[in-house]
Amino acid sequence: DVKVTQSSRYLVKRTGEKVFLECVQDMDHENMFWYRQDPGLGLRLIYFSYDVKMKEKGDIPEGYSVSREKKERFSLILESASTNQTSMYLCASTPRRHNEQFFGPGTRLTVL
Amino acid sequence: QQQVKQSPQSLIVQKGGISIINCAYENTAFDYFPWYQQFPGKGPALLIAIRPDVSEKKEGRFTISFNKSAKQFSLHIMDSQPGDSATYFCAATDQGAQKLVFGQGTRLTINP
Repeated sequence: DVKVTQSSRYLVKRTGEKVFLECVQDMDHENMFWYRQDPGLGLRLIYFSYDVKMKEKGDIPEGYSVSREKKERFSLILESASTNQTSMYLCASTPRRHNEQFFGPGTRLTVL
Repeated sequence: QQQVKQSPQSLIVQKGGISIINCAYENTAFDYFPWYQQFPGKGPALLIAIRPDVSEKKEGRFTISFNKSAKQFSLHIMDSQPGDSATYFCAATDQGAQKLVFGQGTRLTINP
């Protein structure tokens, strides 16, 4: 079974803090994705990566950056957290040229 | 043109009834249309998917109906059960993009 794990289920941070969200997949997938999920807005793509050290902006990259130093790990970074970044963050992975995405359980981030 | 519009936002159905969720898209290049199911505290998981060369796909109690000319597709859940209570997302992509565009989500509640 494909397993995608995220470092924290719940996280509380203060405005202005630097926040790291980690995602690890164990199936050697090339593609990895970061989404945020908000009620009524669905899943919105923040960043994705096709390979190690490669990244592309999604639909809402502002205020976020990413890092992919190893194939199995994709990190989402909030350089200076703001209250409007309070959300559920979901990581997903998929093999190259394959459409089914496998999701982690999510990290619920609250920024106070 | 990249949007996928999903309705309704929430739906309550009696046990044994039929649940219907609708999605519409604009981009005629889309050629893969999955539905994801998300239970509370979990990440979304692929439920069923269709390609535009067929008008309907059935897997157990779940059916996707696809209308290429209207650029619409829908999920039908027959004999709905309380265990089907979840949030459902439609999505779309074209093969070259390798990233999904998600709808806004529908929170489905099946009353016993």
